[in-house]
Amino acid sequence: QSALTQPASVSGSPGQSITISCTGTSSDVGGFNYVSWYQHHPGKAPKLMISDVNNRPSGVSNRFSGSKSGNTASLTISGLQAEDEADYYCSSYTTSTTLIFGGGTKLTVL
Amino acid sequence: QVQLVESGGGLVKPGGSLRLSCVASGFTFSDYYMTWIRQAPGRGLEWVSYIRSSGGYTKYADSVKGRFTISRDNAKNSLYLQMNSLRAEDTAVYHCARGGGWLPLVDYWGQGTLVTVSS
Repeated sequence: QSALTQPASVSGSPGQSITISCTGTSSDVGGFNYVSWYQHHPGKAPKLMISDVNNRPSGVSNRFSGSKSGNTASLTISGLQAEDEADYYCSSYTTSTTLIFGGGTKLTVL
Repeated sequence: QVQLVESGGGLVKPGGSLRLSCVASGFTFSDYYMTWIRQAPGRGLEWVSYIRSSGGYTKYADSVKGRFTISRDNAKNSLYLQMNSLRAEDTAVYHCARGGGWLPLVDYWGQGTLVTVSS
């Protein structure tokens, strides 16, 4: 099963909003409301930012939001801050009862 | 707070074996799925395997099926990954991660342990 498709990189200036897309198929993203988003600073443990498409865990800034339309999920970060610069990965449960990840998106805050 | 600490990584020759461990704390270990996820150098995240809370059900990625075995000891709050017949493409940082109570959807991660397969 191929990885979910994410843009390799996105960038934005402080205060701006950016959106990262995550495209799968009806066997994963489109088939369940089980899409998660993780923030990963290299060398550290990845951090859950969004679960179940649009659920923000306790302690995660409300600048982070998630959505889904068909086979594509999206992560939006508003009011960009320097500390948001990191790699972002989407993940989905699949009809094969496995987990699948996106290839990752490097966010650069200009 | 939830803590996951991996160990056991290192340098191993192709065809060799290695056993990774992960010690969990800060939650009731026996209530949760547990998962191994890896990241090869310069690559994205790849799900490797998960195990149900009781240990009675396991699942593997096709890339490791038949070579890797996941297990857990709920009395020791520990998760394991036995890796046999290792290949160069298994070189990666291996993260231990907590799943949910009834689905293996990951929330907390460990920092990872590096496995290098090279002659």
